[in-house]
Amino acid sequence: AQSVSQHNHHVILSEAASLELGCNYSYGGTVNLFWYVQYPGQHLQLLLKYFSGDPLVKGIKGFEAEFIKSKFSFNLRKPSVQWSDTAEYFCAVKAGTASKLTFGTGTRLQVTL
Amino acid sequence: NAGVTQTPKFQVLKTGQSMTLQCAQDMNHEYMSWYRQDPGMGLRLIHYSVGAGITDQGEVPNGYNVSRSTTEDFPLRLLSAAPSQTSVYFCASRGIGVATNEKLLFGSGTQLSVL
Repeated sequence: AQSVSQHNHHVILSEAASLELGCNYSYGGTVNLFWYVQYPGQHLQLLLKYFSGDPLVKGIKGFEAEFIKSKFSFNLRKPSVQWSDTAEYFCAVKAGTASKLTFGTGTRLQVTL
Repeated sequence: NAGVTQTPKFQVLKTGQSMTLQCAQDMNHEYMSWYRQDPGMGLRLIHYSVGAGITDQGEVPNGYNVSRSTTEDFPLRLLSAAPSQTSVYFCASRGIGVATNEKLLFGSGTQLSVL
């Protein structure tokens, strides 16, 4: 069965610092990978997704993620975070032809001024 | 086009009571699902459906029932509420197939407390 690990539970950064959030999945076949963001008091929104092709995918608000198949990873990055990026970030995987989407436990990002 | 609509937004139950969380979407999405969100545990899939008349269990199905009689609606039933079911519940839906980009759209959530 597919599973997702997010090892960073709580990250605190100053504005303008660079961000990298880790995501590893376990599934040996073809996967679709996603990052979702949940701003305080809101529901989840899609940040970016990888289906196939270029392993470096760009999403909204300057976020990007790189799919490294050999490492089963899909880390999220942003060169310079803003206070408004304070949110919880969830990595998710859909394995092969399965319908369901499995989420990681989330990483809470706190950006200080 | 309302997207994914969940009701109620808040609910307090006593142990043993039953209730149904409603979820409706107007995008003709085949896939619908229910997640619960708990601190430190992320989102865990309760049940999901790939079309009317078809449902399947997720990671944490015990204590919950679902049905999918129409494409639009996917209610989640708690038959006998327990304090362990205190959580925030999210309904989510998407189309199936490459053309839809398989983007999962979430409702605004239901905060449930079981006393």
